[in-house]
Amino acid sequence: DVKVTQSSRYLVKRTGEKVFLECVQDMDHENMFWYRQDPGLGLRLIYFSYDVKMKEKGDIPEGYSVSREKKERFSLILESASTNQTSMYLCASSLNRLEKLFFGSGTQLSVL
Amino acid sequence: ILNVEQSPQSLHVQEGDSTNFTCSFPSSNFYALHWYRWETAKSPEALFVMTLNGDEKKKGRISATLNTKEGYSYLYIKGSQPEDSATYLCASVMDSSYKLIFGSGTRLLVRP
Repeated sequence: DVKVTQSSRYLVKRTGEKVFLECVQDMDHENMFWYRQDPGLGLRLIYFSYDVKMKEKGDIPEGYSVSREKKERFSLILESASTNQTSMYLCASSLNRLEKLFFGSGTQLSVL
Repeated sequence: ILNVEQSPQSLHVQEGDSTNFTCSFPSSNFYALHWYRWETAKSPEALFVMTLNGDEKKKGRISATLNTKEGYSYLYIKGSQPEDSATYLCASVMDSSYKLIFGSGTRLLVRP
């Protein structure tokens, strides 16, 4: 089975801190995604990557950056955390555009 | 931003009832449509990936249809069971894009 692992299940950070959310997949998938989930808004795409060192903005990239130095790892970076970035963050990967996504278990981030 | 809409927002049914939800998406430049089930405290899991107009897929008591010309997909659950209680998400991929854009989901509660 494909495994998508997110480094933390719960995270509490202070406003202004730099935050790293790590995601690792073990099935040699090309595509990796970062979403955030907020009540009533569904899953919103922050960034995605379709190859190593390639990245593209999703619908809500402001305040975030990403890094994909190796195929299996896709990191989401909050340069200066703000309270409106308190959310559930989900990482996902897929083999290609026609294949289903496999999701990690999510990171609940609270910014105080 | 690609607009994917789902209805209803929530649904309460009795065990044994059959039910269906709708996913609407822009029909131009359509590439693929995904359905996911998201149970509380778990990660979203893929149900179907559909690409062809008129396609119908089935998995146990759950089935889905796709109309790419008019831009909608239906998800049907026959004889709902309490374990079907979850949020059901659809997501659309447009041609020439790797982006998977989700609707806000339909939350199903099946009462015993």
